Amino acid sequence: QQQVKQSPQSLIVQKGGIPIINCAYENTAFDYFPWYQQFPGKGPALLIAIRPDVSEKKEGRFTISFNKSAKQFSLHIMDSQPGDSATYFCAASPGTYKYIFGTGTRLKVLA
Amino acid sequence: GAGVSQSPSNKVTEKGKDVELRCDPISGHTALYWYRQSLGQGLEFLIYFQGNSAPDKSGLPSDRFSAERTGGSVSTLTIQRTQQEDSAVYLCATLQRNTGELFFGEGSRLTVL
Repeated sequence: QQQVKQSPQSLIVQKGGIPIINCAYENTAFDYFPWYQQFPGKGPALLIAIRPDVSEKKEGRFTISFNKSAKQFSLHIMDSQPGDSATYFCAASPGTYKYIFGTGTRLKVLA
Repeated sequence: GAGVSQSPSNKVTEKGKDVELRCDPISGHTALYWYRQSLGQGLEFLIYFQGNSAPDKSGLPSDRFSAERTGGSVSTLTIQRTQQEDSAVYLCATLQRNTGELFFGEGSRLTVL
């Protein structure tokens, strides 16, 4: 019940494409859903986050879609660029210090 | 400092040796985490410190792993009698409480030969 399932494991898109990464959770106590971006040799960095009182959040080219009834959330990257090539982690937190991370999606955007 | 600082950035050791990994957190961030990231894997929670409270050690994989945080600031993760399966990147993170954002260091890459 504490797991966050993330898919796909890897993704290759052409420049300008819209990669979509999906995450699913079971624990209804989760109330904070961040996405982290990690470049090789670096630590993960917060990209965008959402709380369950909204169904969508946009920041620049990055959008989180949240479906509370299905217990799913996804990251969309509009007009993807080669510089977006990185590993993306979804996470969920029940509002305490606990953060449960997905297994990561390795994204490659071809020039 | 401006960010979470970890040292060493790379450590190669022989099986059976002890290693210490250091984390200097962001000033003012009282919550500190250690995570392990194995090749191609997700982020595995190891331990959490918050102020003077007892740490949450529930993620430590064996009694060869221990961590301490002195004076609520610098933290050290110690791995005794290292094994090859301990090879991974060890990440430290601190929490900005008002936003819920985790700030990660660049990690310490451990290779056990």
